[in-house]
Amino acid sequence: DIQMTQSPSTLSASVGDTVFITCRASQSVTSWLAWYQQKLGKAPKVLTHMAPDLESGDLSRFSGSGSGTEFTLTISSVQPDDVATYYCQEFNGYSFGQGTKLEI
Amino acid sequence: EVQLEQSEAEVINPGESLRISCQTSGYSFTDYWIGWVRQVPGEAPEWMGNIYPGDSHVRYSPSFQGQVTISADKSINTAYLQWTSLKTSDTAMYYCARLVSLAGFDFWGRGTLVTVSS
Repeated sequence: DIQMTQSPSTLSASVGDTVFITCRASQSVTSWLAWYQQKLGKAPKVLTHMAPDLESGDLSRFSGSGSGTEFTLTISSVQPDDVATYYCQEFNGYSFGQGTKLEI
Repeated sequence: EVQLEQSEAEVINPGESLRISCQTSGYSFTDYWIGWVRQVPGEAPEWMGNIYPGDSHVRYSPSFQGQVTISADKSINTAYLQWTSLKTSDTAMYYCARLVSLAGFDFWGRGTLVTVSS
């Protein structure tokens, strides 16, 4: 199985900050990776993906980058509503990272 | 509007069988994979398996192969997850979600909480 390792586990930010969450894969997943946001008591919500023609809507502050084994989720101008746990997921074996909890 | 409606929470005794459901609407059920994801409270999600309702092809996670059965009934646009003998360690929230190629799971059900306890 491919192992996905996220860092940091917890991230503390102030409103307006730009923050970065990293996801490392134990082997190459090419570009097949998505990021999710999960708020307390809710199902995960997909934030970014590699499909070029899928609308992002109000998710423009969230952007994903990377390929191979290292990926980054960037959250620009952090807002109080961004408090959540963020997960990466690869699509070879559909493994999730262990999560990054964002605190404001 | 795409919707995935999951069955209600269950409280089950160890050793009993169970089937939970995920009824979809708002899109062509046979054109997209449906996945099942387990999440123990406070832990990361775990992918269990996917089914393609168009031909009922199923792909299981090695961690769940032989432990659960995933199926679908395309006449009623519904996917299922079932167990024959539940253990207390199966206590978790179970989500179904639609899989879009290169985009991940784009629509999710609200989850079915399964509690296995004597």
